Amino acid sequence: QKEVEQDPGPLSVPEGAIVSLNCTYSNSAFQYFMWYRQYSRKGPELLMYTYSSGNKEDGRFTAQVDKSSKYISLFIRDSQPSDSATYLCAPGGFSGGYNKLIFGAGTRLAVHP
Amino acid sequence: KAGVTQTPRYLIKTRGQQVTLSCSPISGHRSVSWYQQTPGQGLQFLFEYFSETQRNKGNFPGRFSGRQFSNSRSEMNVSTLELGDSALYLCASRPDRATYEQYFGPGTRLTVT
Repeated sequence: QKEVEQDPGPLSVPEGAIVSLNCTYSNSAFQYFMWYRQYSRKGPELLMYTYSSGNKEDGRFTAQVDKSSKYISLFIRDSQPSDSATYLCAPGGFSGGYNKLIFGAGTRLAVHP
Repeated sequence: KAGVTQTPRYLIKTRGQQVTLSCSPISGHRSVSWYQQTPGQGLQFLFEYFSETQRNKGNFPGRFSGRQFSNSRSEMNVSTLELGDSALYLCASRPDRATYEQYFGPGTRLTVT
């Protein structure tokens, strides 16, 4: 079983839709949760991060973590064509003597006008 | 602040050759990590350097090596290239090993023919 499971998509939505991107993880030692956005032919860009269960909002983006079920989500409101990218979840924590960050496979999102 | 820079951006090599990739972290960042990204395996951790010392290593053969200089710049080397080494190689930096957030460069696209 992979430490982080993420549906690779692709996910295609119309402009203005609410998008829900999800990951599950298996390691209960994970303490922080990152979301990266990667445009084609670019490096991943840190979008949001949170250290605790609950919601964290930043503009149109909301990150949600449920540690009890080991489930993390990213919601995008009023999605725009510029949101078309691959979204990578990356939970992490101190394990085996170092800060370990594990990436999901990434979900490819396409927002069409 | 300037972001993480990587050179070269694109590289074509033939099997059996070796290659060196370079990474300059964000100013003030002392930890540099390297990742390999492929469509099949996603983002996989190669190694992390801090204070010129390799601190962690992922599950890659010894053909993959790296080093870090006193100015925190880092290089990674792949010897005896194989077709399967074709990938996007990403460098990420963070201020220190206790900081969770990592910031990625644009990557070096390596093609092995």
